[in-house]
Parts: sequence; C-alpha cells; structure tokens
Amino acid sequence: QSALTQPPSASGSPGQSVTISCTGTSSDVGGYNYVSWYQQHPGKAPKLMIYEVSKRPSGVPDRFSGSKSGNTASLTVSGLQAEDEADYYCSSYAGSNYVFGTGTKVTVL
Amino acid sequence: EVQLVESGGGLVKPGGSLRLSCAASGFTFSSYSMNWVRQAPGKGLEWVSSISSSSSHIYYADSVKGRFTISRDNAKNSLYLQMNSLRAEDTAVYYCASEGIMGAIALFDYWGQGTLVTVSS
Repeated sequence: QSALTQPPSASGSPGQSVTISCTGTSSDVGGYNYVSWYQQHPGKAPKLMIYEVSKRPSGVPDRFSGSKSGNTASLTVSGLQAEDEADYYCSSYAGSNYVFGTGTKVTVL
Repeated sequence: EVQLVESGGGLVKPGGSLRLSCAASGFTFSSYSMNWVRQAPGKGLEWVSSISSSSSHIYYADSVKGRFTISRDNAKNSLYLQMNSLRAEDTAVYYCASEGIMGAIALFDYWGQGTLVTVSS
C-alpha cells in the first residue's frame, strides 16, 4: 500500500493551465479505471473533483479534467482561478483497499 | 442535503483506546459503503478502513489492521471506528466519507468535517 506519487507543487498564473500527475503501479492506477481526485483547502475537508478517471460530479467546473495513461493519471486545471489554489490528492482503488497520492500544492501566481 | 458529522476525537495516551462516531443524514445510510480516511498534521490523506452497506465486507489498511475495528449501525445511521493500542503515529484528523451516493463506486463522494485524535503522553 505505497502512496501514489505526485509532484509536491505546481503553479500557474490566472487563466493558465496546470497539470498534476499521479503515478502508481499496475496494481492500482494501471489496473483499474477508478482514479479520483480531491481538492482540499486549508482547514477544510477534501472535496471530490474527478472520479472514474475523467468524470466530473455535478457542480464541479468543466475547467477540471482528468485522464490516464498506463500507470499514470493526470488532473488538468484550465483557466486557473484564485480559488483553485489548494492541495490536490489523487486516489485509486487497489483491489479491496484504496491508496492516496502524496498530494500537490497548487499555487496561483 | 448529505451531512456527515464525526465525533469522539481527543487526547489519548499511547496504548490507549478511543471510539469515533460518524452521524449520517440526508441520504439512505443503509444503502452505501462508508469509509474512514485520516490526515496526520501537515501530511497527506491516508485511507484507513471501509465497510459495505450490510457490513458483509470490511477492509483495513495494513497500518491499522488488528488494532482498529470499523462498524456501523444502520438503524442509527451511524458509523464507528474503535481504535485500540493507539500509537503516536495514529495522531491525525479522522474523516468519515461515503461511497456511491453520487451513483459511482470506488470514490469518496461526501466527507465529514473531521475529528482530531491526538496520541501523546
């Protein structure tokens, strides 16, 4: 149950795009289309942003998109806005358990 | 409106025990799997345990297996986590999270606000 690997930080100016990677193994990310992404603002509970690799829950802006290739999933935030500054975590089903990513702090410059 | 409200956190000595509760409302609790996820201070998220709607399937992270027990009472719309033999490394905010309310599986769709557990002498 090793954590999925994410870059510690990412940044972009308002209006730009940022992409966060999430690397696992064939036992988690690569083995299932059950990758989800969560946004967490300081002192708040995480919020689901993407599920099943690329699906968006109702209410999540279409600026957020997800994809996967092999053992690596990605979250792209297009048209960055100030409120997108937060920590982002990926998660993958791993066959009777779940694993989270190490987390990425997104800064809007 | 879906609401998950955790309680039961606090300060406990190493080796001690604590029982967390999560009160659910706004959805048919008995129809969905539930999870506990924790976050150590300044650290990332860690999945702890999950329980299916009828309690027939229960899973634990290796880090808590044999020490923590997840359970639920569908009549009371409540989820529990019994934590025994607590260690300093169990210090974290513990969140309860639902799975499947949005119509999909293998995700954490709604979260509580969390309850802080501090293990220290």
